[in-house]
Amino acid sequence: DQQVKQNSPSLSVQEGRISILNCDYTNSMFDYFLWYKKYPAEGPTFLISISSIKDKNEDGRFTVFLNKSAKHLSLHIVPSQPGDSAVYFCAASDRTGGGADGLTFGKGTHLIIQP
Amino acid sequence: DSGVTQTPKHLITATGQRVTLRCSPRSGDLSVYWYQQSLDQGLQFLIHYYNGEERAKGNILERFSAQQFPDLHSELNLSSLELGDSALYFCASSAYTGVPNEKLFFGSGTQLSVL
Repeated sequence: DQQVKQNSPSLSVQEGRISILNCDYTNSMFDYFLWYKKYPAEGPTFLISISSIKDKNEDGRFTVFLNKSAKHLSLHIVPSQPGDSAVYFCAASDRTGGGADGLTFGKGTHLIIQP
Repeated sequence: DSGVTQTPKHLITATGQRVTLRCSPRSGDLSVYWYQQSLDQGLQFLIHYYNGEERAKGNILERFSAQQFPDLHSELNLSSLELGDSALYFCASSAYTGVPNEKLFFGSGTQLSVL
């Protein structure tokens, strides 16, 4: 069973506009959430994270929103730039076990920024 | 460059064979994680080693095993290979030292093809 779901395999957005990537999770034990970005032939790289005690975290053009009651998070990229074209993975962690367990990842959303 | 080195980049082998994937973590990181990315799946957590000791296990098959050596490099051994084991295998390291640290640094992966 997929505990972290990214229902959009791909998303196309015009340069300069807002990109919104969505992620849903089912495990209520998850209390820390992250987004990773992956370019072809490279490993994923950490982008931004949020703890379950917050509902928003911002870092430059990237903002992550968390809606715990809906078990939903989203990543907003404003404005979108050509270099943002990549696969974005949503990931979640259950810290109650001390954080030793690996992250649970979604299948990814391929973001394409159109010029 | 994440600082995590994985070798080889590509591996082609036959069913029933055994292979070893190697990972060198970032300088100073004691934790190494292994993930598998199959064609239609997100990254699946396999196993986490911390300072030479196994810390957590995910969906790792019994045919697969891993170890972390005193110099902190890690090896993932895959045996009795099946067609379904064809995947991209990522290694990641982190500054985890018993306190949650989900910011992982990934290598560029080993693409395994079982024919």
